[in-house]
Amino acid sequence: EAGVAQSPRYKIIEKRQSVAFWCNPISGHATLYWYQQILGQGPKLLIQFQNNGVVDDSQLPKDRFSAERLKGVDSTLKIQPAKLEDSAVYLCASSLVGKFYGYTFGSGTRLTVV
Amino acid sequence: GQQLNQSPQSMFIQEGEDVSMNCTSSSIFNTWLWYKQEPGEGPVLLIALYKAGELTSNGRLTAQFGITRKDSFLNISASIPSDVGIYFCAGQTYNTDKLIFGTGTRLQVFP
Repeated sequence: EAGVAQSPRYKIIEKRQSVAFWCNPISGHATLYWYQQILGQGPKLLIQFQNNGVVDDSQLPKDRFSAERLKGVDSTLKIQPAKLEDSAVYLCASSLVGKFYGYTFGSGTRLTVV
Repeated sequence: GQQLNQSPQSMFIQEGEDVSMNCTSSSIFNTWLWYKQEPGEGPVLLIALYKAGELTSNGRLTAQFGITRKDSFLNISASIPSDVGIYFCAGQTYNTDKLIFGTGTRLQVFP
């Protein structure tokens, strides 16, 4: 089966600019996650969707980050305006409904804010 | 946010050696997962553990779910150069699908 697709792979922007990332999960996976991975750390959950509804966005900095999952398939994550500390890899993952399958991750988008 | 503590932080070993790493938490988890991440890629699931005390193998990898449900370890036997990467543990609780990741163990294998 095709994996989780993410684009772009790399993005360099100046602080205060805006940026958007796109994710296409594995077909049939109802649950979609966005994780932020800062260099040298493990991934941290930003937001979780089930179908097109938000399940958990408690760690999402809502003053600058937003995410949507229209029609319960593809998802976009946006940062506006970006700060230097947003430099990280943004990972999208998807899973079947149910808590014990683990996730399948995409390759991520590496964001550098200068 | 919460993270699990992994040790060691990094390991430099010779090909053929065995490797052991562990993960501890102040919270109880109902599922423990071990992932490997290579440069430029997302984490890939290696082993999933669902019961306290469970010991599971995947080829040269063996992982155990600690009896207290607050820890887990991963062993790699007879390491090879392609084992190089960062190994993350992750915990999951019954009331959420959210994974809490460890701080990672960076493994370097020299031929």
